[in-house]
Amino acid sequence: QQPVQSPQAVILREGEDAVINCSSSKALYSVHWYRQKHGEAPVFLMILLKGGEQKGHEKISASFNEKKQQSSLYLTASQLSYSGTYFCGTDSNFGNEKLTFGTGTRLTIIP
Amino acid sequence: GAGVSQTPSNKVTEKGKYVELRCDPISGHTALYWYRQSLGQGPEFLIYFQGTGAADDSGLPNDRFFAVRPEGSVSTLKIQRTERGDSAVYLCASSSQTGPNTGELFFGEGSRLTVL
Repeated sequence: QQPVQSPQAVILREGEDAVINCSSSKALYSVHWYRQKHGEAPVFLMILLKGGEQKGHEKISASFNEKKQQSSLYLTASQLSYSGTYFCGTDSNFGNEKLTFGTGTRLTIIP
Repeated sequence: GAGVSQTPSNKVTEKGKYVELRCDPISGHTALYWYRQSLGQGPEFLIYFQGTGAADDSGLPNDRFFAVRPEGSVSTLKIQRTERGDSAVYLCASSSQTGPNTGELFFGEGSRLTVL
């Protein structure tokens, strides 16, 4: 079953913060985050494995709450280059390489 | 090239025709995936290869779809008797990881298929 992302779309001014949520109805082993710009390939951001870890990548970080079957992506002090559609991909089984992607969150950063 | 290469980038065909889409993964990547992305949607899993064998083809929608990777490198997705509902961007991704879900997927820019 496809994970649900919220919000579906958000518009921010440069420098503002954003949170993108990903929620699954199934128990999760891992959550993967990707960003896709219009007409381009999705680009990997990070993987979170079960254990409730949090990861950071410059001003982009994420958390994974396996009990709630949720992950959140945090973008702080957003830059114009952060614009794009963000997808979470979830995996429910260890050893299963198949990711189920959410419907995406379109983020637009304006100057 | 350094990235995943997909050809053709655009393909327009008529309903009922046969189509082949090619993916050239990053050199040395043993894992290869095909996903399909419709407008406004996330990528939808089709099939996963580890080496030459299809480790998971559970996402192929029906028997009109078939994929091969005969030498463990280049892969071809084949669609027979195309239907208008097959119109989408077909994405290929490769990964260097041999273990489950420990590595990033490197996606190609996709092949946009339009069935008239």
